[in-house]
This record gives sequence, structure tokens and C-alpha cells, in this order.
Amino acid sequence: KNEVEQSPQNLTAQEGEFITINCSYSVGISALHWLQQHPGGGIVSLFMLSSGKKKHGRLIATINIQEKHSSLHITASHPRDSAVYICAVRGGSEKLVFGKGTKLTVNP
Amino acid sequence: EPEVTQTPSHQVTQMGQEVILRCVPISNHLYFYWYRQILGQKVEFLVSFYNNEISEKSEIFDDQFSVERPDGSNFTLKIRSTKLEDSAMYFCASSVETVGELFFGEGSRLTVL
Repeated sequence: KNEVEQSPQNLTAQEGEFITINCSYSVGISALHWLQQHPGGGIVSLFMLSSGKKKHGRLIATINIQEKHSSLHITASHPRDSAVYICAVRGGSEKLVFGKGTKLTVNP
Repeated sequence: EPEVTQTPSHQVTQMGQEVILRCVPISNHLYFYWYRQILGQKVEFLVSFYNNEISEKSEIFDDQFSVERPDGSNFTLKIRSTKLEDSAMYFCASSVETVGELFFGEGSRLTVL
């Protein structure tokens, strides 16, 4: 059974700061997802990775398969980035195992 | 941009009542999922559905739950006899391929009294 741990649980930043959210998992995976959950509850997919690095706008996601670790970076953070960021992993099946999420608050 | 839509956005029901949550996945997607999130807890996988049958289900998805795709567009989750502990946000998601990007709906909040 895969265990997904995220750190930190809560993160407060000032606008413009560089943000890093970490995700570790215990068992080998086929894919890792980074998701954003808005204050209203809706979930948006940010990235799906199985290796390397992906970039979309101010967001960068990296994964190290050997170390079973992924990071989500936000450059030049903005108050609209305030949300819960969730890491989820898929092993050998269709089942996604989710982390508890990291609540990010970016103050103006 | 295509999106996954869910109805209702919020439903309040009495314990023991049947509830049907509806989802319209993105039209060319083939894989469909239901997840739930109890307030303050992490999101949990319930079931995956492909080619008109369940492909995988979690231990949460017991006999009181069922899913179906009654026509070419809707994907439903039925809870036969709701319990207090079924109160949660239920998310539908779809993807083009089995290990592909997931597109989530906005969720249906179920409150069981």
C-alpha cells in the first residue's frame, strides 16, 4: 500500500516569493499527479509526471523516481495561487492514492 | 474548453434514503472515476469505470454503492441507503487513457441528516 506524505501541511508566503511543496511516496509508481483544490472545493489537475520535469507558466513540477520524491514549485507567487495543493500517485492499478494536501496562503 | 459537469452541487438527504449523483464526463473520454472527500480529510478513490463496467473499486465501495452509464453521456453514482458517514464531497473525473491526465468536476456535496 502506497503512503503519500506532503510537506509542509500549511504554508504562508508573501506575494512574489518562490514556493516549494514536497511529496514523498513509499512504493514505486507509474504516475504522479499534482492537483489544485480551490477554496470552493473544486479540483484542477496541474501536472501528471512519470519522470523528469514539467513546466507550465509559473509552475514547475519535478520527480525523482529513485528517491520516490516530487516537488511542486511556484515562482513569483500571487494571492490567486492560494489553494490546497494535493499530490496523488498511481501504482500498478487505476487507483489514485492522495496526500493530505498543502494549504498555501499567499498574502499581498 | 470541455469540462466535467456534476449535479447536484449540493444535496441534503435523510439517513436511509437513496441518492443519485450525476456526472457528464468530457465527450471523448473513455475512463471514468468517482472519488470522495470527507470534510477535513484527504480525497479517496471509490471506483473506476471503463467499457461499461467497473475496472477497479476500493474497499469503501461496498454493496450500497453502484455506478452506471445509462446513456452515452451520463455517469452516475448511486448510494442505496445513505448513512451519516456518507456525508462528503463526491468528485467525478474522466480521462482519455488509463494513465492519463484527469479532469475533475466541481463536486457534489452530500449531507446526510
